[in-house]
Amino acid sequence: EIVMTQSPATLSVSPGGRATLSCRASQSVSSDLAWYQQKPGQAPRLLIYGASTRATGIPARFSGSGSGTEFTLTISSLQSEDFAVYYCQQYNKWPPITFGQGTRLEIK
Amino acid sequence: QVQLVESGGGVVQPGRSLRLSCAASGFTFFSYGLHWVRQAPGKGLEWVAVISYDETNKYYADSVMGRFTISRDTSKNTLFLQMNSLRAEDTAVYYCAKDSMAGPNPRGAVDYWGQGTLVTVSS
Repeated sequence: EIVMTQSPATLSVSPGGRATLSCRASQSVSSDLAWYQQKPGQAPRLLIYGASTRATGIPARFSGSGSGTEFTLTISSLQSEDFAVYYCQQYNKWPPITFGQGTRLEIK
Repeated sequence: QVQLVESGGGVVQPGRSLRLSCAASGFTFFSYGLHWVRQAPGKGLEWVAVISYDETNKYYADSVMGRFTISRDTSKNTLFLQMNSLRAEDTAVYYCAKDSMAGPNPRGAVDYWGQGTLVTVSS
């Protein structure tokens, strides 16, 4: 099973600032990496797939990068609606499909 | 637009069974694989199971293997999860989710999620 590790667990950033979230895989997942956003009481929403491709309707301030075992989600010019929990997920070698434990992005 | 609506959750005693349903609309149901993903209260996401578009392939997390069964009814555009021998650790919100790639082999990335249904296993 591929273990996904996200850091930091909690990130505090001011509105208008830039957030950088990290995700590491225990072995290479190529570019088969997705990022999801989840707000309290809501279902997750797909942001990024293929490590760097934005899903339909996702604003350009969200960007993903990386390949192999190291990945980054960057959110530039943070808006109030961006404060949420973010999960990475690998779909290269499965089953099982595995998620990171999440990074909580909070307002500083 | 794509809609996934789960139902069937509730409170159930340990060892008992429950069947979840997910009514799908807004996409070509028979073309896509479908997943169940769960989230225990205050915890992260855990993938549970996937079924291919034609039901020929089904895969499960080790934690539910042999107890849960995923199925689908194309005539009713509905996904199911039969959960037997439930345990306290199965308590979670269960999400139905659509795979992002059409065809015989699910990609594994999910592009649409339902709102979830809560299953509580407690005596």
